[in-house]
Amino acid sequence: AQTVTQSQPEMSVQEAETVTLSCTYDTSESDYYLFWYKQPPSRQMILVIRQEAYKQQNATENRFSVNFQKAAKSFSLKISDSQLGDAAMYFCAYKGEYNAGNMLTFGGGTRLMVKP
Amino acid sequence: GAVVSQHPSRVICKSGTSVKIECRSLDFQATTMFWYRQFPKKSLMLMATSNEGSKATYEQGVEKDKFLINHASLTLSTLTVTSAHPEDSSFYICSARDHALAYNEQFFGPGTRLTVL
Repeated sequence: AQTVTQSQPEMSVQEAETVTLSCTYDTSESDYYLFWYKQPPSRQMILVIRQEAYKQQNATENRFSVNFQKAAKSFSLKISDSQLGDAAMYFCAYKGEYNAGNMLTFGGGTRLMVKP
Repeated sequence: GAVVSQHPSRVICKSGTSVKIECRSLDFQATTMFWYRQFPKKSLMLMATSNEGSKATYEQGVEKDKFLINHASLTLSTLTVTSAHPEDSSFYICSARDHALAYNEQFFGPGTRLTVL
């Protein structure tokens, strides 16, 4: 079974600074997708960024980028120029390409606090 | 963009009663929907996968007779918590898979907070 681990329960960053959230996963599959979701206080899950395992190039979305290390099974999220609105729970998630149920496996989450 | 709604957003009920939560995909068809449970400051725990026109697939440890799931149409799945107890109090989130999109992306509803007195 796949597992996703987020080793940082809480992180703090100063506004306008950069922060990196860690995520590691365990799988025997070669094809899969990785995601970072944001859950603000409203509890609405929002997709931040996705990465296909077959792509070597790291995904970027504006201030958000990932460092995908397939061999190390690591998938970290970097938030640049942090803003107060970035404060939220962040969840790393995995989905196998050939997973019949197409379900997501979530990590335990990292609470990000942004200091003004 | 794809929108998923949940109703109600919060519900309070007495112990022993049943509560139904609806999950709707508003602008796309979803043959598969997922139901999650989230405890305070915890991650999402998948309860079951809801498939249109067939029986739901429940995760290990989830009582199918307690958490009844019906996916009667391509835009609606319902979760009924039967004979609710205080320990069923939680935040329930649904998501819907849009088959028309790459990655079979899941879109999440805003969640339902259930409080059982």
